[in-house]
Amino acid sequence: GENVEQHPSTLSVQEGDSAVIKCTYSDSASNYFPWYKQELGKRPQLIIDIRSNVGEKKDQRIAVTLNKTAKHFSLHITETQPEDSAVYFCAAYYDKIIFGKGTRLHILP
Amino acid sequence: GAVVSQHPSWVICKSGTSVKIECRSLDFQATTMFWYRQFPKQSLMLMATSNEGSKATYEQGVEKDKFLINHASLTLSTLTVTSAHPEDSSFYICSVRTGIHTEAFFGQGTRLTVV
Repeated sequence: GENVEQHPSTLSVQEGDSAVIKCTYSDSASNYFPWYKQELGKRPQLIIDIRSNVGEKKDQRIAVTLNKTAKHFSLHITETQPEDSAVYFCAAYYDKIIFGKGTRLHILP
Repeated sequence: GAVVSQHPSWVICKSGTSVKIECRSLDFQATTMFWYRQFPKQSLMLMATSNEGSKATYEQGVEKDKFLINHASLTLSTLTVTSAHPEDSSFYICSVRTGIHTEAFFGQGTRLTVV
């Protein structure tokens, strides 16, 4: 079955700097890769996604890159702000969504 | 997108009792819903795929007799935690996918505490 590895588990960056979270997946049939942001006690919220026929996608300060050959995809957040502090999950799916273990992002003042 | 409502948002029950959690797709007919469990500071772990009108598909290691799933209509799936124990205390959350290879929409989750 699908396995998704996510790194790092914790990330602290200075406000205004960039943050990068990386994921790898195992099932080459996976063709949809969403990223979710989850605040404490709340449901995950989709922040950006990418499909397998695209290598990069950007939405304001957030971007995702996908390398299908290497089965890697990454989340990039630029000009980080305090409200970016949360837990971020990558996911991959073909017929069901499998999540990475999450990255706790701290934005330092 | 789809609006997914989950009820209750939190529940406290005594050890040995059963608890039912409802997941409703309010504006979309969902043939498939997914149930996840999330322990504190951990990821969402897929428990089972709920299929309308047929048996749920459980992930490896999830006891189907303990976590009963019923998907009797296109808008409602229920998860019943039977004979709950303290180790079943967790955040349970359902999701709906509106199409093939599209985003999933999540219910607000249910925090279960077994005392």
